[in-house]
Amino acid sequence: DAKTTQPTSMDCAEGRAANLPCNHSTISGNEYVYWYRQIHSQGPQYIIHGLKNNETNEMASLIITEDRKSSTLILPHATLRDTAVYYCIVRVRAGANNLFFGTGTRLTVIP
Amino acid sequence: GAVVSQHPSWVICKSGTSVKIECRSLDFQATTMFWYRQFPKQSLMLMATSNEGSKATYEQGVEKDKFLINHASLTLSTLTVTSAHPEDSSFYICSARDPGASGRDEQFFGPGTRLTVL
Repeated sequence: DAKTTQPTSMDCAEGRAANLPCNHSTISGNEYVYWYRQIHSQGPQYIIHGLKNNETNEMASLIITEDRKSSTLILPHATLRDTAVYYCIVRVRAGANNLFFGTGTRLTVIP
Repeated sequence: GAVVSQHPSWVICKSGTSVKIECRSLDFQATTMFWYRQFPKQSLMLMATSNEGSKATYEQGVEKDKFLINHASLTLSTLTVTSAHPEDSSFYICSARDPGASGRDEQFFGPGTRLTVL
């Protein structure tokens, strides 16, 4: 699976949009971009995934650049409960392969 | 969405004892489950892949005789930490793959088990 690069930490004011970037310049054509988050002392939580089109669900939006070398996870209105470590993972969707977790971005939502 | 549970959520044991952690998929059948370990302020590291009815596949550096994995049914995998030592203290997380899932992620994570070895 391709490697990803994320900033170590970010702050965001409560109520504002949180934009979390991820670089995945070596992504292959059949690899998807997945985002998970891990709130302190809990298991990872799936957020969203996409291949090349932008995606939106009830939690977030995922913007993937046209060349697919980078993406941005957007939390439109961050709340204190969104404080967590956010992981960007690139992987082939099918198959029983595991998820490789890098260091992620620690997002702190500030009141 | 699919739910994965772990039991216990935390456990404290004495050095030299064995501890069993259960991972259950509550509303789907999981042919594959994964066991991860997470030390403080570090990311999740895969320990092993557990396939129902067959032997687990361990990652390099993980002792299979120390971390016994059993995946006897499609809804249950267990991880037994044998002869636990303080350095085994960690947060153990399982995930289960739902081959029937569509539209969302195929892997669902348990809430984790915090093991403290005294």
